[in-house]
Amino acid sequence: AQTVTQSQPEMSVQEAETVTLSCTYDTSESNYYLFWYKQPPSRQMILVIRQEAYKQQNATENRFSVNFQKAAKSFSLKISDSQLGDTAMYFCAFMSLSGTYKYIFGTGTRLKVLA
Amino acid sequence: DGGITQSPKYLFRKEGQNVTLSCEQNLNHDAMYWYRQDPGQGLRLIYYSQIVNDFQKGDIAEGYSVSREKKESFPLTVTSAQKNPTAFYLCASSPWDPGTGELFFGEGSRLTVL
Repeated sequence: AQTVTQSQPEMSVQEAETVTLSCTYDTSESNYYLFWYKQPPSRQMILVIRQEAYKQQNATENRFSVNFQKAAKSFSLKISDSQLGDTAMYFCAFMSLSGTYKYIFGTGTRLKVLA
Repeated sequence: DGGITQSPKYLFRKEGQNVTLSCEQNLNHDAMYWYRQDPGQGLRLIYYSQIVNDFQKGDIAEGYSVSREKKESFPLTVTSAQKNPTAFYLCASSPWDPGTGELFFGEGSRLTVL
């Protein structure tokens, strides 16, 4: 069974600084997607960034980038130039591409950006 | 605007009562999901549906029921058999063909059992 582990329950970062959120996962599959979702205090969860396992190049979306290490089963999220609006709960997620396309979520990291 | 609407946002229930949470989407997505969110436990899948009139149990289906009579709607009933129903409930949808794999979420419903 697949698992997703986020070992940092809470983190804080000063505005304009860089922060990295960690995520590790376990799977025997070779074809899958990995995601980071953001859940701000208003509660609606939105996609931050997505990585396809077959792609070696790390995904980047503006200030957000990932460090995808397939052999190590690691998928960290780096937020550069942190903004107050980045304050949220961040969830790492795994989606299998075989069969049911089932999602597995980590337990989340609560990030607070300090002014 | 396309999206997912959950209602009510807050709901209080007495022990022993069933309650139904509404989820409607106008994204024309085939798949819909119900997740339960508890502090420190992430999101856990309750039920999902790939097409109309079909649905599958997730990891924590006991004490819950769903229906999928219309593509746009996927209501969740929390029954009196659910031992610890106080939680935050999230509905999501996606195209069944995985495509980008992105899940689209509603704003959630917070259920409190008194």
